[in-house]
Amino acid sequence: DAGVIQSPRHEVTEMGQEVTLRCKPISGHNSLFWYRQTMMRGLELLIYFNNNVPIDDSGMPEDRFSAKMPNASFSTLKIQPSEPRDSAVYFCASSFTVGPRDYGYTFGSGTRLTVV
Amino acid sequence: DAKTTQPNSMESNEEEPVHLPCNHSTISGTDYIHWYRQLPSQGPEYVIHGLTSNVNNRMASLAIAEDRKSSTLILHRATLRDAAVYYCILEQLTGNQFYFGTGTSLTVIP
Repeated sequence: DAGVIQSPRHEVTEMGQEVTLRCKPISGHNSLFWYRQTMMRGLELLIYFNNNVPIDDSGMPEDRFSAKMPNASFSTLKIQPSEPRDSAVYFCASSFTVGPRDYGYTFGSGTRLTVV
Repeated sequence: DAKTTQPNSMESNEEEPVHLPCNHSTISGTDYIHWYRQLPSQGPEYVIHGLTSNVNNRMASLAIAEDRKSSTLILHRATLRDAAVYYCILEQLTGNQFYFGTGTSLTVIP
């Protein structure tokens, strides 16, 4: 298994532009999580999906952020318009969840976003 | 989200054992204790988890206090590749999300 695949690895964009981050979870995993990591705030959970349905998006900073999971093998995190304070490493993780139990997360390598 | 408390940083000499502590005094009876680590420029990776009994795997051991209010991750022989930030996390049955604290940054001295 190739693990959780994120693209792109690095993204540099200008303020005001739309940015789309992509994630392919591990096949068979039914939960997907988007995290953001900065030096100041550490790892923050933005949103998580179970069986392609958003369960908790309380961590999404504001309306500029949106996430979708159209099918079990693909998710996107979109920022529109982007701002310099969105600069961070964005991680996607997937897991196999049965009821209340989560059988461990596997993280992708992350997307380093720089907004200038 | 349940709170865990870890030291900000620790140092260890190479090939010596390392004991990384974690306090979780508000843990409930059904919360699992997970440990993840994050190597430089990588995503976090699973290390070990447990509920009540001590656990061993190829990476580490997890020692859980009898009252479960604290736990210790044990690396039996630290190598330079073990230099990472180690996170102690509680998995609560009320939700499937993991909340990461600030973790312990482990430095391994050659």
